[in-house]
Amino acid sequence: DAGVIQSPRHEVTEMGQEVTLRCKPISGHNSLFWYRQTMMRGLELLIYFNNNVPIDDSGMPEDRFSAKMPNASFSTLKIQPSEPRDSAVYFCASSYRALEGNTIYFGEGSWLTVV
Amino acid sequence: KNQVEQSPQSLIILEGKNCTLQCNYTVSPFSNLRWYKQDTGRGPVSLTIMTFSENTKSNGRYTATLDADTKQSSLHITASQLSDSASYICVVSAVLGAGSYQLTFGKGTKLSVIP
Repeated sequence: DAGVIQSPRHEVTEMGQEVTLRCKPISGHNSLFWYRQTMMRGLELLIYFNNNVPIDDSGMPEDRFSAKMPNASFSTLKIQPSEPRDSAVYFCASSYRALEGNTIYFGEGSWLTVV
Repeated sequence: KNQVEQSPQSLIILEGKNCTLQCNYTVSPFSNLRWYKQDTGRGPVSLTIMTFSENTKSNGRYTATLDADTKQSSLHITASQLSDSASYICVVSAVLGAGSYQLTFGKGTKLSVIP
């Protein structure tokens, strides 16, 4: 099993540019999560999908952030326009029936720096 | 407000020694509690998951305990190894309704094992 695959692993962009992060969950998983991690705030859940449907997006910081899951094997997190305070590691994770306490598997993260 | 507090923030121990990390939570209604290990520059990896009815669970040299009455959990590491150096994150899940739940993350304990 290839695990959760994220791209890009690292991105440096200028303030105001659009950033798109991509995620391929583990095959067969029906829950997908996007997290953000910073030194100051730790891990924060941004949004999660169940069966491709967004269930809770209350963690999305503002309208500049949007996430989509067009099918069971792909999701994107978009930031437009990006700002320096968006610099963080963004993790995608997936699970099968996470509600019942099954393991949530994380990708290796996308390291975003906005200058 | 749901909260997860971890202590200590950081810890340095000698290789071969045991240590215990603490997690206190105020999450309600409680569904499950997870401990994750996160190596520097990597995504978190699940160590244990415990539901309300479980008060201890082991994964090799890692043993997690849960006291649902006092809302406390601990992660005990036995005979520490250099590879145990990482951040350990406690995550508590609350069930909000059918198909909806909330994950609350602790800020983690950074463990350094030195020779």
